[in-house]
Amino acid sequence: ILNVEQSPQSLHVQEGDSTNFTCSFPSSNFYALHWYRWETAKSPEALFVMTLNGDEKKKGRISATLNTKEGYSYLYIKGSQPEDSATYLCAYPDFGNEKLTFGTGTRLTIIP
Amino acid sequence: KAGVTQTPRYLIKTRGQQVTLSCSPISGHRSVSWYQQTPGQGLQFLFEYFSETQRNKGNFPGRFSGRQFSNSRSEMNVSTLELGDSALYLCASSLEAGLTDTQYFGPGTRLTVL
Repeated sequence: ILNVEQSPQSLHVQEGDSTNFTCSFPSSNFYALHWYRWETAKSPEALFVMTLNGDEKKKGRISATLNTKEGYSYLYIKGSQPEDSATYLCAYPDFGNEKLTFGTGTRLTIIP
Repeated sequence: KAGVTQTPRYLIKTRGQQVTLSCSPISGHRSVSWYQQTPGQGLQFLFEYFSETQRNKGNFPGRFSGRQFSNSRSEMNVSTLELGDSALYLCASSLEAGLTDTQYFGPGTRLTVL
């Protein structure tokens, strides 16, 4: 069974502060890592697909880095805003079982 | 471009009944994947359809089945419903196979089994 782990499970951050959280995945035979944001009562929304070791992607105040050799990715949010409150999911392709395996997510709450 | 749509959005059934959920992918997308979300669990992969063929299936009993039509619309069926089937069912579409392509999710169908 392929393990994709996210930490922390939940996080409360003061508005304006910056934060980050982690996705860990198997470091062997890496192909890609997906990040999604899932706001309450909405559909999960794709943030990034990361493929290269050392890759850094940015979308507004959100950025992500990737370390395929040690098997982790960080998601950073700079200057958190209330609209950043959501569950952030990472997903890793499990080619052996031909499916995308999702982590259980980091639930982020921004405190105004 | 219209997003992924799912119908119905909410459903209440009783144990032993069967249910069919529908998913319409983004126009031009050929892959549709289905996921189950229960409290405390991550998204659990059910199955993926590509060009009307089931490419793979997750670790779910045979009561869970699906199909895809020539217009890429997909349906998921659960027979002999159990209380544990209560969950949010999401479908996602992608241009090609879902493992590396970005997946675009629908709003989900919330199924409650009484």
